[in-house]
Amino acid sequence: AQSVTQLDSQVPVFEEAPVELRCNYSSSVSVYLFWYVQYPNQGLQLLLKYLSGSTLVKGINGFEAEFNKSQTSFHLRKPSVHISDTAEYFCAVVYNYGQNFVFGPGTRLSVLP
Amino acid sequence: DAGITQSPRYKITETGRQVTLMCHQTWSHSYMFWYRQDLGHGLRLIYYSAAADITDKGEVPDGYVVSRSKTENFPLTLESATRSQTSVYFCASTSGGLIDNEQFFGPGTRLTVL
Repeated sequence: AQSVTQLDSQVPVFEEAPVELRCNYSSSVSVYLFWYVQYPNQGLQLLLKYLSGSTLVKGINGFEAEFNKSQTSFHLRKPSVHISDTAEYFCAVVYNYGQNFVFGPGTRLSVLP
Repeated sequence: DAGITQSPRYKITETGRQVTLMCHQTWSHSYMFWYRQDLGHGLRLIYYSAAADITDKGEVPDGYVVSRSKTENFPLTLESATRSQTSVYFCASTSGGLIDNEQFFGPGTRLTVL
């Protein structure tokens, strides 16, 4: 079955420290990979996506992610986090040109002063 | 206002009652989606619609009914609410396929079934 795993349910990190949020997906013929952010009491907002080409993808707010096909991973990174990055982050995958996302369970990032 | 809106934002109901959650978008997007968000599960697709009068089941459709008579509206009905349907419900829309078109999400409806 197609699935997306985010191993860390919560990640606390101090302000200005680097962070990595992990995402792994079940292998498939073709995958399209996305990261969404959800701020408190809001809907989801697209951070970045990988469709093809360069495996390093840059998104909004200084985030980037790297697609690793051999490890079936799409980890999200930021070199220096800010208090305003506190939110829930979701990895999502579209499998085989499908019409819907498969979402991971989410990682709650808490940036501490 | 332009965008995607959901109403109500909060709803408390009792087991067995019928509840309808509304979703309205102003972009004339073809595709609309309903998700539920539960702790530890992320978002799970309930139903989606590729156009007016075209709907299809997602991952967790049981207990829900949708309709789409107009492009801009996509109501979700719980015909007989159960406690297991307590959740946060998100509506989303996109102009085309997910690969090339961004999916925009509404602010969510928090539903509590007592």
